[in-house]
Amino acid sequence: QVQLVQSGAEVKSPGASVKLSCRTSRYSLVNYRMNWVRQAPGHGLEWMGWIITENGNTNYAQKIQGRVLLTTDTSANTAYMELTTLTFDDTAVYYCAGGQKLHHWDTWGQGTRVTVSS
Amino acid sequence: QSALTQPASVSGSPGQSITISCSGSIFDIGTYNFVSWYQQHPGKAPKLLIYDVNSRPSGVPNRFSGSKSGIAASLTISGLQAEDEADYFCTSYTTSASFLFGGGTRLTVL
Repeated sequence: QVQLVQSGAEVKSPGASVKLSCRTSRYSLVNYRMNWVRQAPGHGLEWMGWIITENGNTNYAQKIQGRVLLTTDTSANTAYMELTTLTFDDTAVYYCAGGQKLHHWDTWGQGTRVTVSS
Repeated sequence: QSALTQPASVSGSPGQSITISCSGSIFDIGTYNFVSWYQQHPGKAPKLLIYDVNSRPSGVPNRFSGSKSGIAASLTISGLQAEDEADYFCTSYTTSASFLFGGGTRLTVL
């Protein structure tokens, strides 16, 4: 089964950017549908966007449109999520999640904690 | 788009059955059969329980089942066990090719 391994925790200042990675183990990222989901402390899950790895097509949540960019490097079996102009409200655990189908996500990364602090 | 609506909490005793509701709109649950349910234990990543309204991934016990009627979906857990105590989230694909989550339901096994 595919496993997703995410990069380590980040601490950023307001206004900065963060770029997180999500690497697949054992299988290729080709023909994969990768989503990013975040969870603020004590809150529920929030979908951020998806990317289809074979053609790079993306769709983003309206709330963060213009601040988020999803990319992949299939040669490195790695997906990336970059979020710019960070505010305190972006403090959350960020998950990559995906599978062969777009509409449900059978594999999740372990999560990356991003803290925005002055 | 607003989040899907779930009850904040439900509870049940071991062996009992509980149902968690998830209410949406014609722009999400009412249009697509792409409703999924995820289970999340504290400090852990979510786990897929149900997809496409009522399908279970391999390894998920058949105590977990899903259904949908109109703009609402539901997750039923029968034969409650202590390890079922967790947060449960519904999600649906939408007419904007995006996804909406419910606010989550905390299940307490008494």
